[in-house]
Amino acid sequence: RKEVEQDPGPFNVPEGATVAFNCTYSNSASQSFFWYRQDCRKEPKLLMSVYSSGNEDGRFTAQLNRASQYISLLIRDSKLSDSATYLCVVMVGTGGFKTIFGAGTRLFVKA
Amino acid sequence: DVKVTQSSRYLVKRTGEKVFLECVQDMDHENMFWYRQDPGLGLRLIYFSYDVKMKEKGDIPEGYSVSREKKERFSLILESASTNQTSMYLCASSKQGSSYNEQFFGPGTRLTVL
Repeated sequence: RKEVEQDPGPFNVPEGATVAFNCTYSNSASQSFFWYRQDCRKEPKLLMSVYSSGNEDGRFTAQLNRASQYISLLIRDSKLSDSATYLCVVMVGTGGFKTIFGAGTRLFVKA
Repeated sequence: DVKVTQSSRYLVKRTGEKVFLECVQDMDHENMFWYRQDPGLGLRLIYFSYDVKMKEKGDIPEGYSVSREKKERFSLILESASTNQTSMYLCASSKQGSSYNEQFFGPGTRLTVL
């Protein structure tokens, strides 16, 4: 079983749709959680950190459920430019070293 | 603007060759990482370094070694390249001090071993 699991997709949605991605992690010692975005043939870039209380950044909302070991990302009012692969990332421990990436969920937003 | 650079975008080598991948960051970050990315597997950590001359094995260190002689530079070495090391290699760096510090990635090196 992978330590961080994501639905690979692809998710094909029309512009303006709301789409949600889920991610589960297996290591209960996980401390920090993130969503990264990776465009085709580009490097991953941080989209947002995920805090215990949940957090929102414009059209993006991230939530964490420690009891279920589950992270989610909600994108509202999808734009063409949201088309990318979204990587769920979990950091185990507090040293900032053991970082585990999910394989990613591909999103295609169509006009 | 923060920057992580990698020495090559594309590299083609033959089986058995020694391969050097270089990574340089200009952000004075303490931590540096080498990952490989393969379809369906995501990014997997090969090695990381938290200080000059310090290195720790990641999840898949076999067949690789690293060198960090200067804070800004972290090199990945394939002593004898094999075809199963064909992959995208990504270098990253981050500050110490918080478990929420962002990792900044270089553009990647696509290595093909023939």
